[in-house]
Amino acid sequence: EVQLVQPGAEVKKPGESLKISCKGSGYSFTNYWIGWVRQMPGKGLEWMGIIYPGDSDTRYSPSFQGQVTISVDKSISTAYLQWSSLKASDTAMYYCARLVGLPGGMDVWGQGTTVTVSS
Amino acid sequence: DIQMTQSPSSLSASVGDRVTITCQTSQDMSNHLNWYQQKPGKAPKLLIYGASNLETGVPSRFSGSGSGTHFTFTISSLQPEDIAIYYCQQYYNLPPFTFGPGTKVDVK
Repeated sequence: EVQLVQPGAEVKKPGESLKISCKGSGYSFTNYWIGWVRQMPGKGLEWMGIIYPGDSDTRYSPSFQGQVTISVDKSISTAYLQWSSLKASDTAMYYCARLVGLPGGMDVWGQGTTVTVSS
Repeated sequence: DIQMTQSPSSLSASVGDRVTITCQTSQDMSNHLNWYQQKPGKAPKLLIYGASNLETGVPSRFSGSGSGTHFTFTISSLQPEDIAIYYCQQYYNLPPFTFGPGTKVDVK
């Protein structure tokens, strides 16, 4: 079964760092782009950026460039989304998803990681 | 940046009704448009890709059409399990591949 597995939740304080993961299985991880999507509470989907595990080629939405870092460790089929200094406004659900191609849509989604940033 | 609009923003229909959602883009997307369904508390699910192609395993009551800047998503006979928010997404040329604002579908 093709799947992406994410941790369920993270709770952090403002100013702390965080790295969340997305582990792929059931397919050739290095051959498909992985993307990240933010969904703030009660809001719509926001496309953050993508990474190609084969060569770590990374593309960011201008809205998220410099705010987050997307990385990958292909040896363990895992992509990451990280923040160096969290803000309360980073509180959201974060989904990873596999792209069918570039360009292309997202055909397999992780279950999402809820990130709560609160003092 | 490519701007996307969806209409209506929400709708309520009866079981068995035909439901239509439109998505308009600020630039010509050719057929590079997807439709997703997001049920409450769940991850989005790809329903339609390339404007009109049904993803494997998706019921045939869902369909999509359009090209250029105007796209349509249709549920031919609304079912109770179709309660969800539906999003269009463009994937033309270069990232970011933006999502539309969503349409909330309720059953009367």
